[in-house]
Amino acid sequence: SQQGEEDPQALSIQEGENATMNCSYKTSINNLQWYRQNSGRGLVHLILIRSNEREKHSGRLRVTLDTSKKSSSLLITASRAADTASYFCAAEPLSSGSARQLTFGSGTQLTVLP
Amino acid sequence: DTAVSQTPKYLVTQMGNDKSIKCEQNLGHDTMYWYKQDSKKFLKIMFSYNNKELIINETVPNRFSPKSPDKAHLNLHINSLELGDSAVYFCASISSGGANVLTFGAGSRLTVL
Repeated sequence: SQQGEEDPQALSIQEGENATMNCSYKTSINNLQWYRQNSGRGLVHLILIRSNEREKHSGRLRVTLDTSKKSSSLLITASRAADTASYFCAAEPLSSGSARQLTFGSGTQLTVLP
Repeated sequence: DTAVSQTPKYLVTQMGNDKSIKCEQNLGHDTMYWYKQDSKKFLKIMFSYNNKELIINETVPNRFSPKSPDKAHLNLHINSLELGDSAVYFCASISSGGANVLTFGAGSRLTVL
């Protein structure tokens, strides 16, 4: 089954630096989404990019989508210690239909050091 | 008010027991899910219900049985618990219109001894 696979598995940066995480998926999609998970908590939706979009911004977040390479990236600019969390991408397959099935990977663990 | 609430948050039990996890959403969403997150944080979909009807049933042992008494509730019952069932189980729901964005509960950590 299709999965969003994040890369790298872990990333450690200093506060103020930018963090870039990548995601690859396998089949055609309706959209790709990024979620954040703080330790011991549920996932929280961050941003959604549709298959006909190439770039999207939300605050300090910038998401790109390359459907020809079946990949996406999430850039967090001017990182803060509070950004420390796991970040997941989730792809909604084109064939999802009424099921609206989002498939996730195992995430990128981002640690922002103060 | 919590949008998607799960109970219990923690569950520790012996192998062979039967246990249930409950989920309720007050968002008016018509589709609810159960996901399992393993120790490596991989998140795998288990079931999905739309208006009380099962629409996704991934390859999950039949010891796992979801039940949806109404569209605001989706419970997960697990029979004959095994060590490998230890994980964090997340309930989620999705809106019927617009973008398909999931709202997750806080998770239920199941530990089987």
